[in-house]
Amino acid sequence: KAGVTQTPRYLIKTRGQQVTLSCSPISGHRSVSWYQQTPGQGLQFLFEYFSETQRNKGNFPGRFSGRQFSNSRSEMNVSTLELGDSALYLCASSLDGIAGETQYFGPGTRLLVL
Amino acid sequence: GENVEQHPSTLSVQEGDSAVIKCTYSDSASNYFPWYKQELGKRPQLIIDIRSNVGEKKDQRIAVTLNKTAKHFSLHITETQPEDSAVYFCAASSRSSASKIIFGSGTRLSIRP
Repeated sequence: KAGVTQTPRYLIKTRGQQVTLSCSPISGHRSVSWYQQTPGQGLQFLFEYFSETQRNKGNFPGRFSGRQFSNSRSEMNVSTLELGDSALYLCASSLDGIAGETQYFGPGTRLLVL
Repeated sequence: GENVEQHPSTLSVQEGDSAVIKCTYSDSASNYFPWYKQELGKRPQLIIDIRSNVGEKKDQRIAVTLNKTAKHFSLHITETQPEDSAVYFCAASSRSSASKIIFGSGTRLSIRP
């Protein structure tokens, strides 16, 4: 099976712009989670989607949003970008997102905000 | 809220020696504890996990122990090799929000030749 894929891999934006990142889960996986990874804050949970619905949410401002399509692919959107949004954005997929299931990570999208 | 603390932040050991990384969690409802390894420039990959109904789990040179009473869990790597050099993350999730994994801050492990 193909692994989790993310596009684009690298992105440069300026403050105030918005950005959309895409994640394609492993075939058959219905749960997609998003994480922000920074040197200072580590890996932080953004949100999780299952069956096109946001099921869990972390402590990020409303500028961070997402959605999931019927084929389980997910997108994450960040509006009004700030310098502090520069980070590696990772998505992870699992079968149903239930207790004890392994989450498989994608390679990430590295976002630089200037 | 949920929190996972991880120590040490950096660890350097001689090749062949053992390495131990320790984590504590705050949410008593946590019931699943995965460990991820992230090599430089690569994605995190699961190396071992443990569920709350088990006290210890071993897979070749790596083992994880869990003390539910103390809310502690640890990763043990024996006979360390150069390819063990990476950042290791502990994590925890609960049954009520299973897909919301809370990660520790990471431990950068270096293996000295």
